[in-house]
Amino acid sequence: DAGVIQSPRHEVTEMGQEVTLRCKLISGHNSLFWYRQTMMRGLELLIYFNNNVPIDDSGMPEDRFSAKMPNASFSTLKIQPSEPRDSAVYFCASSFRGISGANVLTFGAGSRLTVL
Amino acid sequence: AQKITQTQPGMFVQEKEAVTLDCTYDTSDQSYGLFWYKQPSSGEMIFLIYQGSYDEQNATEGRYSLNFQKARKSANLVISASQLGDSAMYFCAMILRGENTDKLIFGTGTRLQVFP
Repeated sequence: DAGVIQSPRHEVTEMGQEVTLRCKLISGHNSLFWYRQTMMRGLELLIYFNNNVPIDDSGMPEDRFSAKMPNASFSTLKIQPSEPRDSAVYFCASSFRGISGANVLTFGAGSRLTVL
Repeated sequence: AQKITQTQPGMFVQEKEAVTLDCTYDTSDQSYGLFWYKQPSSGEMIFLIYQGSYDEQNATEGRYSLNFQKARKSANLVISASQLGDSAMYFCAMILRGENTDKLIFGTGTRLQVFP
């Protein structure tokens, strides 16, 4: 299994530009999570899906952020327009519905976003 | 409110010594689970160890063990025989059970530095 795959690994963009981060889940996993990591706020849960359906997006900071899961294996996180304060590492993670020691939350390598 | 607290921003330990990283949690649930993840400088999140609330034995995985004290609501990570490669950020996390899916919330992390 290739694990959770995120792209791009690094993105540098200018304020106001649209940013799209992509995530491919582990085959068979049915829950998908987007986290954001910054020095100031640590790991924040932005949004999560179960069986392609968004369950809780209360962590999404603003309307500029949107996430979709068009199929069972793929998700996008979009920021439009981007701002410097969006600079962070964005992690995608997937699991089965019930997290446990046998079904751990598995993270992708992260997408480091820098907005100038 | 359910919460994870890591009070040590940074820890130092000499190679081959043991070190304990603290984690306390707050939950009203009777059934819950606790995780530790490692984040090396390369940025990926690596699952280390899991403890279920009903597990009678403390979890162990190689050099990692979890000192689970349910009454104190603490789940400290013990790393024995530290190695230089253990230098990293360490995150404690707790499962929040949901109707549709489970999710993890994370503490702020502890940066461990192992010196020769």
